[in-house]
Amino acid sequence: QSVLTQPPSASGTPGQRVTISCSGSSSNIGSNYVYWYQQLPGTAPKLLIYKNDQRPSGVPDRFSGSKSGTSASLAISGLRFEDEADYYCAAWDDSLSGVVFGGGTKLTVL
Amino acid sequence: EVQLVESGGGLVQPGGSLRLSCAASGFTFTSYWMHWVRQAPGKGLVWVSRINSDGSSTNYADSVKGRFTISRDNAKNTLYLQMNSLRVEDTAVYYCAKADIAAAGYPLDYWGQGTLVTVSS
Repeated sequence: QSVLTQPPSASGTPGQRVTISCSGSSSNIGSNYVYWYQQLPGTAPKLLIYKNDQRPSGVPDRFSGSKSGTSASLAISGLRFEDEADYYCAAWDDSLSGVVFGGGTKLTVL
Repeated sequence: EVQLVESGGGLVQPGGSLRLSCAASGFTFTSYWMHWVRQAPGKGLVWVSRINSDGSSTNYADSVKGRFTISRDNAKNTLYLQMNSLRVEDTAVYYCAKADIAAAGYPLDYWGQGTLVTVSS
């Protein structure tokens, strides 16, 4: 049972826009930054979004993040087949004094 | 270029011990908190432990508390995870990861490639 809640799956067709939600509480998302990671099959997670809505260099602007209260979301526009991956949200948790993750969302591009 | 290279994984019997290492380069290791995260086969990411920049403060997930010990050698730019009393449910790929900001309370930016720990008789 993950501390942050994500839908287990999402899907879309090429060119579409999809969003993935992430719900937490006051001790994590409500008071700290949200990060998003992309994990392609058989590889380590890669940072996609940091500090709620910032993209590291090299990440396409098709990816965007937002946060409101104790929830956050990741949006992917202009969906491509290579976006098919698992996506995880994460945040620092003040009660745990550690990082909490969502359970992950498997994105399928149909 | 930031590099994190884990080693030390392998097959161990239940109740056994293993020590993982993570060699860091490409950044000022002494300034950053470091973490271990694991991923069981076919499952999601689970945070395991963290250590502050000088090694004076650590914390653990409840599932490993009392069995695992995180440490670091800042002279060698290396992070460790000593795993004792291993259980079948500890089977996972273990990743070391660097905190995004050189301060308390930030998630991870760079990750290693992971090392597989298999606990089985």
